[in-house]
Amino acid sequence: DVKVTQSSRYLVKRTGEKVFLECVQDMDHENMFWYRQDPGLGLRLIYFSYDVKMKEKGDIPEGYSVSREKKERFSLILESASTNQTSMYLCASRHQVQDEQFFGPGTRLTVL
Amino acid sequence: AQSVAQPEDQVNVAEGNPLTVKCTYSVSGNPYLFWYVQYPNRGLQFLLKYITGDNLVKGSYGFEAEFNKSQTSFHLKKPSALVSDSALYFCAVRDRNYGQNFVFGPGTRLSVLP
Repeated sequence: DVKVTQSSRYLVKRTGEKVFLECVQDMDHENMFWYRQDPGLGLRLIYFSYDVKMKEKGDIPEGYSVSREKKERFSLILESASTNQTSMYLCASRHQVQDEQFFGPGTRLTVL
Repeated sequence: AQSVAQPEDQVNVAEGNPLTVKCTYSVSGNPYLFWYVQYPNRGLQFLLKYITGDNLVKGSYGFEAEFNKSQTSFHLKKPSALVSDSALYFCAVRDRNYGQNFVFGPGTRLSVLP
C-alpha cells in the first residue's frame, strides 16, 4: 500500500514564525501536492511538484513556498506565519501514469 | 476552467436506506472523476474513479457512482447505508487535457442515523 506520512498531526505556532511542514511518500511517485482544507471550501491546491526540484504554483500560493530536493520528500514552508494560515494541511502523491492521489493524514496548524 | 459543485452541505439518511451524495462538474475537455472520503481527523481516502468505459463504477465499501455526461454529474450511491459511512465526502475532477491538477468540491457531510 502507498504510504504518505506528514511530520506532525498538530502544530501550534506564533505569528511571524517560519514553519516547515514535511511530507514523505514511499512509492516513488513523481507528483506531489500540498493542499489546505477549510470548512465549506474543500481542498485548495497550494503548490505541486512534477519531479525533483520542480514546482508549480497552485490556486493559493501566496504566503507559501515549497522545496523538493529528493523524490520522496515535499516540504511546505510558511515564511512568516499569519493567523489566516490556520488550517488543515494535506499532502498527496500520485504516480505519473496513475489517476488517483494518495493522501497523508494531515497536519492541523494553528497560528496564534 | 475546471469546477466541481456538491450542492448539499449535509445529507442525513437512516441506516439501511439507500444514500446518494450529489456531484456536478465542469471541464473543457473529457473528465476524470473521483470520490474520496474523510473520516474525522484523518486524510482523504480514495473510494472510486471514472476514467472511461462503463458509466457505472464500483468502489470500496460498497459504494458506486454513475457518470452522466449529458447532465455532467457523478453522483455517489450506496444501496444500504451504515452508521460507519458517516463522514465527509469529496468529489474531484481532472480534465484529462489540462495537466495534472485535481479540483475538489467543497465536500458533503453524510450522517447515517441508527
